[in-house]
Amino acid sequence: EVQLVQSGAEVKKPGESLKISCKGSGYSFTSYWIGWVRQMPGKGLEWMGIIYPGDSDTRYSPSFQGQVTISADKSISTAYLQWSSLKASDTAMYYCARPGPGVVAATHWGQGTLVTVSS
Amino acid sequence: DIQMTQSPSSLSASVGDRVTITCQASQDISNYLNWYQQKPGKAPKLLIYDASNLETGVPSRFSGSGSGTDFTFTISSLQPEDIATYYCQQYDNLLLFTFGPGTKVDIK
Repeated sequence: EVQLVQSGAEVKKPGESLKISCKGSGYSFTSYWIGWVRQMPGKGLEWMGIIYPGDSDTRYSPSFQGQVTISADKSISTAYLQWSSLKASDTAMYYCARPGPGVVAATHWGQGTLVTVSS
Repeated sequence: DIQMTQSPSSLSASVGDRVTITCQASQDISNYLNWYQQKPGKAPKLLIYDASNLETGVPSRFSGSGSGTDFTFTISSLQPEDIATYYCQQYDNLLLFTFGPGTKVDIK
């Protein structure tokens, strides 16, 4: 069974750094890209970017370029989303997702990681 | 950047009603358009990919159509479990994705 399991909820202060994770199992981790999606409280879905774990080719949506870093460690089947200096506006639920075979859409999703940034 | 609009932003309908949501892209995206359902507190779920293809396991009352800039998502007979927010999503050849703003569907 394909699973994406995300790290737990985080509470951070503005200016702190953070790295959250998404561990894939039940499939060949390098065969599918992993994408990240932000959902701010009470708001819609925003696509942040994707990474191909096989070669770490990374593509950011323009709104998130330079704001976050997406990375992956294929040896442990884990993708990451990180911030170097959090802002209150980074408070959101973050989801990871991957496509299905032959489908350019997110068919499998993680459970989400809630990040709260507050002083 | 390609911008996506959806209408309506919300709707109320009765059980058994036909529900239609439209999604418009700011430029031609061929059939590079997906539809997701998100229930409160849950991760999104893919319903339709490439404009009109029903994802495996999704009930046949859900359907999608369109190409170019104008797309339609339909629930042929609204069920209580369909209460959710629905999002369209476009993608391009570089695998840059953009979601629409969403349509909240509830029962009248």
